[in-house]
Order: sequence, then C-alpha cells, then structure tokens
Amino acid sequence: DVKVTQSSRYLVKRTGEKVFLECVQDMDHENMFWYRQDPGLGLRLIYFSYDVKMKEKGDIPEGYSVSREKKERFSLILESASTNQTSMYLCASSFSGTGGYEQYFGPGTRLTVT
Amino acid sequence: QQQVKQSPQSLIVQKGGISIINCAYENTAFDYFPWYQQFPGKGPALLIAIRPDVSEKKEGRFTISFNKSAKQFSLHIMDSQPGDSATYFCAASTQGGSEKLVFGKGTKLTVNP
Repeated sequence: DVKVTQSSRYLVKRTGEKVFLECVQDMDHENMFWYRQDPGLGLRLIYFSYDVKMKEKGDIPEGYSVSREKKERFSLILESASTNQTSMYLCASSFSGTGGYEQYFGPGTRLTVT
Repeated sequence: QQQVKQSPQSLIVQKGGISIINCAYENTAFDYFPWYQQFPGKGPALLIAIRPDVSEKKEGRFTISFNKSAKQFSLHIMDSQPGDSATYFCAASTQGGSEKLVFGKGTKLTVNP
C-alpha cells in the first residue's frame, strides 16, 4: 500500500515564523508535489520536484521554498509565515513517465498563521 | 489556457439518484483526465481516469464521459449513495513526463438518505 505521510495534521504558527512542512513517501516515486487547498479555489500547485535536488515552480510559489535532499522526502518551507498562508497543505507523489500516473496524496496539514 | 473549469460548485442529490459533474478545458494538449474523490479530513484519492482515445469509461457506478470536440468531460455517479458524499475534483495533464495535474475547483456532493 502506497503511503504518503505528512509530519503534522494541525499546526499553529505566528506571523513571521519560519515553518517547515515535511512529507515522506514510501513507494520510491520520482515525483513529489506540494499543493495548497482553499475553499472554492481547489488544489493549487506550489512546487513540484521530479528528482532529488530538482524542483520546479508551480502556480503559486511566492512566499514558499522547497527542499528535496532524499528521494523519499520533500519539505515545504515558509520563510516568514503570513496570515494569508493559513490553509490546508497537501503533499503528493507519483511515478514519472509519459504522463497519466496516479498521484498519491497525504492526509494534509492544516496550518493556521496568527 | 491551462485552466480546467468545473461545475457545479455544490450538488445535492437524493439517494438512488444520478449525480453529474462537468468539466471543460481549453488546452488541446491535455491527454489524461482523472477524477479525484476527497472525504473530509483525508487527502484526495484517484477515483477514475480516462484518455481521449475513448469516449466513455465505466467502473462500477462511476462513469466518465468524454467529448473531445467539445473539450468537455463529465463524471456520472449512478444510484448515488450517502457514502458518495465527498468533494470531487476533475483534473487534466499533458504527456511529457512531468505528471503535473491542473485541477478544477471541486464539487461538493451531498447525497441525502
């Protein structure tokens, strides 16, 4: 069974704090993704990684950075958290190929920035 | 051109009824169209997917209908059950190996008993 785990289900941080969200997958997937989910806006891609140390900006990368030092782990970093980054954050992973591989999602981290 | 437009935003159906969710796209390079199902407190999970070489794909009570010329695809849930109550997302992607999906904004389905 594919498993994508995220370090926290709920997180409360103060404005200006540096925040780390961790994601681990156990299926040896090449691709890993970070999404943000907000009501009425669906899932929006923040960053994508197709290999260790490789990353690509998604649709809304501003205010975020990522790190992928090992194949199974993909971290999302909020350098200086702001209230507009309060959201549900979802990590996903998939195999790489010619397109059409299922993305497996973690349970999400609900981040509140006060 | 990268958008996938999904409707309706919310849908209420009686048990046993048919639920229909529609999506439209502009980018003709899209060639993979999955639907994801998300229950409260969980991450989305793949429900069913289709490629444009077929016009319909059925898995149990769930059917995707695909109209390439109209650039539209839809999810039909037959004999809807209260356990189908969830948020449904359509998505699309292109060949090329990046596996990036463009998601619709989601439809919250409520099936009343």
